[in-house]
Amino acid sequence: SQKIEQNSEALNIQEGKTATLTCNYTNYSPAYLQWYRQDPGRGPVFLLLIRENEKEKRKERLKVTFDTTLKQSLFHITASQPADSATYLCALDRGDYKLSFGAGTTVTVRA
Amino acid sequence: SQTIHQWPATLVQPVGSPLSLECTVEGTSNPNLYWYRQAAGRGLQLLFYSVGIGQISSEVPQNLSASRPQDRQFILSSKKLLLSDSGFYLCAWTLGGSTDTQYFGPGTRLTVL
Repeated sequence: SQKIEQNSEALNIQEGKTATLTCNYTNYSPAYLQWYRQDPGRGPVFLLLIRENEKEKRKERLKVTFDTTLKQSLFHITASQPADSATYLCALDRGDYKLSFGAGTTVTVRA
Repeated sequence: SQTIHQWPATLVQPVGSPLSLECTVEGTSNPNLYWYRQAAGRGLQLLFYSVGIGQISSEVPQNLSASRPQDRQFILSSKKLLLSDSGFYLCAWTLGGSTDTQYFGPGTRLTVL
């Protein structure tokens, strides 16, 4: 069956450090993968999209990698700030105008 | 610019009562529309999907239904709510014909007692 696993439910890091989140999947062949940020009680907000033929994508302090051989995406937040505290969701293209979402990893950045 | 609205923001309903949640999108035409449910600490579960007026695809069998009476209006309904229907309901849209970025509404927190 198809499965998306995000490495851990919660990640606590010190301000200024790099947070690394993992998204692993099985039985998918996504043309692209997306990362979203969700704050408590709010809808998810799109951050980055990376396509299957791209190895890495950057946006400001965010970096995403996509390894279709390992079936894994890594999401990095560099020079983390308390304002980066949120839940981060990975989402895979299902190929029929739909996405499948992981359960998310909650990041808490300590000042 | 495009905006998406959902209402109500919160709702507390007794078991067995009906439900109607509304979602409207402004600033775009012919969007793909989606209803998701998010249980506490869980990922987003896709409930319904629509590519046009009157065109609804259901992802999972349940006591919910969806309708799209207008191009930018998407409604989630139930005739009789169950306790298990409690959750955070999110509406989202994408550009018609595109599978890229999904734009989410603010959500409706539904508690069934």
